[in-house]
Amino acid sequence: NFMLSQPHSVSESPGKTVSISCTRSSGSIVSTYVQWHQQRPGGSPTAVIYEDTLRPSGVPDRFSASIDTSSNSASLTISGLKTEDEADYYCQSFDGNTWVFGGGTRLTVL
Amino acid sequence: QRQLQESGPGLVRPSETLSLTCIVSGASISSSNSFWGWVRQPPGKGLEWVATIYYSGRTYSNLSLGSRVTVSGDTSKNEISLKLRSVTATDTAVYYCATADVWGRGTSVIVSS
Repeated sequence: NFMLSQPHSVSESPGKTVSISCTRSSGSIVSTYVQWHQQRPGGSPTAVIYEDTLRPSGVPDRFSASIDTSSNSASLTISGLKTEDEADYYCQSFDGNTWVFGGGTRLTVL
Repeated sequence: QRQLQESGPGLVRPSETLSLTCIVSGASISSSNSFWGWVRQPPGKGLEWVATIYYSGRTYSNLSLGSRVTVSGDTSKNEISLKLRSVTATDTAVYYCATADVWGRGTSVIVSS
């Protein structure tokens, strides 16, 4: 079993770029796909990245993701921040047939 | 495009069984390599995986829920279902149907007498 650790919160100004990390506690980060899910206040989650780096249709290319094997982590990067990006972001991966979620990161755009 | 739509009773009494349904459109639940999950979110908390059903019909559930969970699929209706037995207040949550890149809007469940 492993855990996914995320920073509790991050903040940045509109127009800037922010990255959110997701560190896997054990096992290789590349052994199973990582997804990223956005949850705006009062809303349901929506996927912004799946299978490590792919964007679902309709997700702007301001959202990108990467994997860093040296730190055993995944990162979500949002460029050209907009106020509408203010949300909770959850990383998620698989441990065999179970789903593992990170604790979520609150992004504040101020 | 794929869409997921959950439905449920809204209110369930303690010790009873919670039954939820997720209608899948835009894809077949039995299409090769597909999988469909249930995820819940208690009020003010993060996301918790509940169970998954694969295209083959094979199912897996969160061990923390013990044997209370049953997930199934109906290919004739293209829907998946979740049953959670012996519910308590700690099962109060919004329940979502999801796959890797698509989520439903969720259905709120309150366990209360």
